[in-house]
This record gives sequence, C-alpha cells and structure tokens, in this order.
Amino acid sequence: NAGVTQTPKFQVLKTGQSMTLQCAQDMNHNSMYWYRQDPGMGLRLIYYSASEGTTDKGEVPNGYNVSRLNKREFSLRLESAAPSQTSVYFCASSEQGFGYTFGSGTRLTVV
Amino acid sequence: AQKITQTQPGMFVQEKEAVTLDCTYDTSDQSYGLFWYKQPSSGEMIFLIYQGSYDEQNATEGRYSLNFQKARKSANLVISASQLGDSAMYFCAMRKRGSYIPTFGRGTSLIVHP
Repeated sequence: NAGVTQTPKFQVLKTGQSMTLQCAQDMNHNSMYWYRQDPGMGLRLIYYSASEGTTDKGEVPNGYNVSRLNKREFSLRLESAAPSQTSVYFCASSEQGFGYTFGSGTRLTVV
Repeated sequence: AQKITQTQPGMFVQEKEAVTLDCTYDTSDQSYGLFWYKQPSSGEMIFLIYQGSYDEQNATEGRYSLNFQKARKSANLVISASQLGDSAMYFCAMRKRGSYIPTFGRGTSLIVHP
C-alpha cells in the first residue's frame, strides 16, 4: 500500500542512548516532516525537508538531527536521549502542501 | 506567526446527532489552507477535509463539512449523523500559501455515545 512507513513502532531507551527513527514514503512527495505529539500539546514540528538535499529546523529541534537520505527517506536521530524526549513521533510527507500523509507513529519512552 | 486554537478539550455527542468542533486561527496572511485530521485510539492521523481561504464554497466530504467564516477566522468542523466510530481526537491545522508547513491545534477529543 502506498504511504508513509515508520520504524520502529515502539522503542524504550535509557537516558543517554542514541537511536534513529526511520521514515520512507513511496508517493514521490518532495516535502517530508517530523512531528512530536505530547498530551495536550497537539503536533509540534521538529524538522522538515522541503525537498531532497534540504532540511530546516521547526518549532522544537533541540536534541534532534535529521538526514534526508534521498527523495524517499527522511530519518530523525536522537544523539543522547533524555526523558523529555518521551513522546509519539510522526513522520509525514506532502506534495506542495496539498494534503499531508502521516506514518503510523513511533512511541518512544526514555527512562 | 500563525496560531491555531481549539477551545474544546472534550466533546460528547449522542449517536446519529450532529456535532460541531471549533477551530479559530490567527494569521495576517490572506492566502492560506485549513485542514482537519482525525486521530482514532489506534494512533494514525487521517485526513478529513481541506478548505482554501479563497474557496467560495464551504468544503464538504461525505458526513464532514467545514463551516468556514473568514471574517471571524474560524473553520469549524461539522460531523453530521455521528457514528460510534467517530470517537477520536480531531486536529485543526493551517498552512499559509507558499509554505508547506502546517501548524496544528491542540486537538479536541470527541466521544460518541450510543
């Protein structure tokens, strides 16, 4: 099925550990995004990539890095996880801002 | 900076009745797009409806319609004939034209009672 695929779906990390969240889309979209969702806060933008080869910070980029590996893939890296990064992470893609397709989310717990 | 406000943290509705979920936005731009997404308990984000600021008609998609009042800067979602499966979180979002980045509200939890 066409869409956005995120891995893993669940992850538990210890404080200070690192990990990479993977995201791939097969809709040939130019733009990709990483959001975090916390209770009562809605979705907040971490980083986005308007097109292959470009990335920009969003509202809450501290503690994260991203890589737009190619047009399909956009990964999010936590270099040194902190409990404040416990959240649900969503990857999304769009073509020229008309409709955003989301992945199924990654539930991350940092202990 | 654009801002989306959803003032209803939680809403309850009887099955088969209509319900309106409120969304107001704050922007100085004249050209923008408005979206509604549904998030059921399973967690995925499902696109429901889109309204462009210059669209003359209010958007409709099946049982979903968007009550767009540009002067009031509101974009309320109306769900007609509620079903049990409509129980979910609903998010309003906006992006200004020329930007591909949507800003989301904090969401409204809707519970449909049988």
